[in-house]
Amino acid sequence: QSALTQPPSASGSPGQSVTISCTGTSSDVGGYEFVSWYQQFPGKAPKLMIYEVSKRPSGVPDRFSGSKSGNTASLTVSGLQAEDEADYYCSSYGGSNHYVVFGGGTKLTVL
Amino acid sequence: EVHLVESGGGWVQPGGSLRLSCAASGFTFTGYWMSWVRQAPGKGLEWVANIKQDGTEKYYGDSVKGRFTISRDNAKKSLYLQMDSLSAEDSALYYCARDTSSWDFDYWGQGSLVTVSS
Repeated sequence: QSALTQPPSASGSPGQSVTISCTGTSSDVGGYEFVSWYQQFPGKAPKLMIYEVSKRPSGVPDRFSGSKSGNTASLTVSGLQAEDEADYYCSSYGGSNHYVVFGGGTKLTVL
Repeated sequence: EVHLVESGGGWVQPGGSLRLSCAASGFTFTGYWMSWVRQAPGKGLEWVANIKQDGTEKYYGDSVKGRFTISRDNAKKSLYLQMDSLSAEDSALYYCARDTSSWDFDYWGQGSLVTVSS
């Protein structure tokens, strides 16, 4: 149950696009279409932004999109807005023993 | 509206025990797996455990296996986490979360803080 690998930080200017990566193994990210992304503001609970690699829950702006290639998943935020500044975490189903593994988190800064 | 409210956190000495509770409302509790997820101060998220709708299947993260026990009372619409043999590494904000069928968490509580210190 090793944590997924995310860059500790990412940044972009308003209006730009930024992509955050999430690297796992063939036993988690690469093996299933069950990758999720969460947004978390300081002192708040995480919020589900993307599920099943690329699906958005109701109410999540279409500026947020997800994808996956091999053992690496990605979250892209297009048309960056100041309100997007937050921590972002990926997660994946780990298969056997029904466990879920998270990434270490990426702090997104809007310059 | 879905609500998850955790309680039971607090300060405990190393080696001690604590039991967290999570009261659920606004949805059919028996229709969902449920999980506990924790976050140490200034750190990332860590999945702790989950439990099937009827309580017959339970799974744990490696760091808590053998020390923590997840359970639920469907009549009370409540989720529990019994934590034994606690160490400083278990200090964290513990979230109760509703699982979806695709192994993600669509609703979260506000968290219950556990501090393990002498």
